[in-house]
Amino acid sequence: QKEVEQDPGPLSVPEGAIVSLNCTYSNSAFQYFMWYRQYSRKGPELLMYTYSSGNKEDGRFTAQVDKSSKYISLFIRDSQPSDSATYLCAMSEEGRRALTFGSGTRLQVQP
Amino acid sequence: DGGITQSPKYLFRKEGQNVTLSCEQNLNHDAMYWYRQDPGQGLRLIYYSQIVNDFQKGDIAEGYSVSREKKESFPLTVTSAQKNPTAFYLCATKEVAAGNSPLHFGNGTRLTVT
Repeated sequence: QKEVEQDPGPLSVPEGAIVSLNCTYSNSAFQYFMWYRQYSRKGPELLMYTYSSGNKEDGRFTAQVDKSSKYISLFIRDSQPSDSATYLCAMSEEGRRALTFGSGTRLQVQP
Repeated sequence: DGGITQSPKYLFRKEGQNVTLSCEQNLNHDAMYWYRQDPGQGLRLIYYSQIVNDFQKGDIAEGYSVSREKKESFPLTVTSAQKNPTAFYLCATKEVAAGNSPLHFGNGTRLTVT
């Protein structure tokens, strides 16, 4: 079993829909949680960075962490075709030098 | 990519040849990382360096080598010992290795070995 599980998709939604992307994990020591967006043939770019449990909002994006369930989510409101990309979750323990990544979910937003 | 330059963008090599991928950063970050990305497998850590002249193996270091002679540069050599070298290689930096700041990535080098 992988340490971080993420549905690969593809997830196809119409423009304007609310998108929910999720990751589950098994390591209860993870404290820092990140979401990256990766366009085709580009490097991942950081979207959201949260510590421990709770919600964080930034524009159309909301990140949620539920440590009791070992489950994190990224919500995208009013999705746009430009949101079409692969979304990677990543997490780390306190003071650890490297991240553990999910395998990514490919999102397609249809105009 | 925010100050992280990977070159070249595409690289083609024949089997049995060593090849070096370049990564340069002007973010003044202490730590640098090399990841490999394959379809359906996410990112896997090859090597990382916390400071100049120091580096550690990641999860899949076999067949790879690195050097860190300058803070700004962390080249990765893919040797002929790497059994499946064709992949997308990503360089990343972090402000302080042991801190909890996130990684910042370059735009990658796609290596094809035939």
